[in-house]
Amino acid sequence: AQSVAQPEDQVNVAEGNPLTVKCTYSVSGNPYLFWYVQYPNRGLQFLLKYITGDNLVKGSYGFEAEFNKSQTSFHLKKPSALVSDSALYFCAVRDMSGGSYIPTFGRGTSLIVHP
Amino acid sequence: NAGVTQTPKFQVLKTGQSMTLQCAQDMNHNSMYWYRQDPGMGLRLIYYSASEGTTDKGEVPNGYNVSRLNKREFSLRLESAAPSQTSVYFCASSSNRDRYSEQYFGPGTRLTVT
Repeated sequence: AQSVAQPEDQVNVAEGNPLTVKCTYSVSGNPYLFWYVQYPNRGLQFLLKYITGDNLVKGSYGFEAEFNKSQTSFHLKKPSALVSDSALYFCAVRDMSGGSYIPTFGRGTSLIVHP
Repeated sequence: NAGVTQTPKFQVLKTGQSMTLQCAQDMNHNSMYWYRQDPGMGLRLIYYSASEGTTDKGEVPNGYNVSRLNKREFSLRLESAAPSQTSVYFCASSSNRDRYSEQYFGPGTRLTVT
């Protein structure tokens, strides 16, 4: 079975400050991990993914995510937040081996960047 | 290259009415999905199609049917709408069954059932 948790419903950060959106996962084998962003009244957009290799993954709009196998986490980060980063962020996981190829999504974290 | 398109964008139904949500992708993807999004619930998978000619139930299939008309199109039908089906519906596609392929989402259909 695979699952993903986003422990914070909402994250507030001031513009220019670093931001972190947390994600932890559980899979039987090794994970493929994804981050998506949803702007108001829009569909989800792919940001970045971890497949294998370097634990720090860089993605769109200056976002990056750090894979930590021992802590089963894949936190999304950005060094300097922009007001335009305010959106809903979803983490998703697929197990590399066995089971369904369908990803499991977290419930989403609302990021609010204050001017 | 339009990506994933959905029609209609908005719909209001009365309880018991039927409707079909349309989805099309122009990326030559094999896999297509229907999700619903409700506040605090994240995304829940209704049905998916791994390839043309196949469909499978997801987490919340009751009250819905799907048709994979061809490789491009995947429709979702509500035979007898209920207020509990008030939601935002998203169609998505991905290139193949490789587990590392990301999904591409349509803009959504906002459905209200009164």
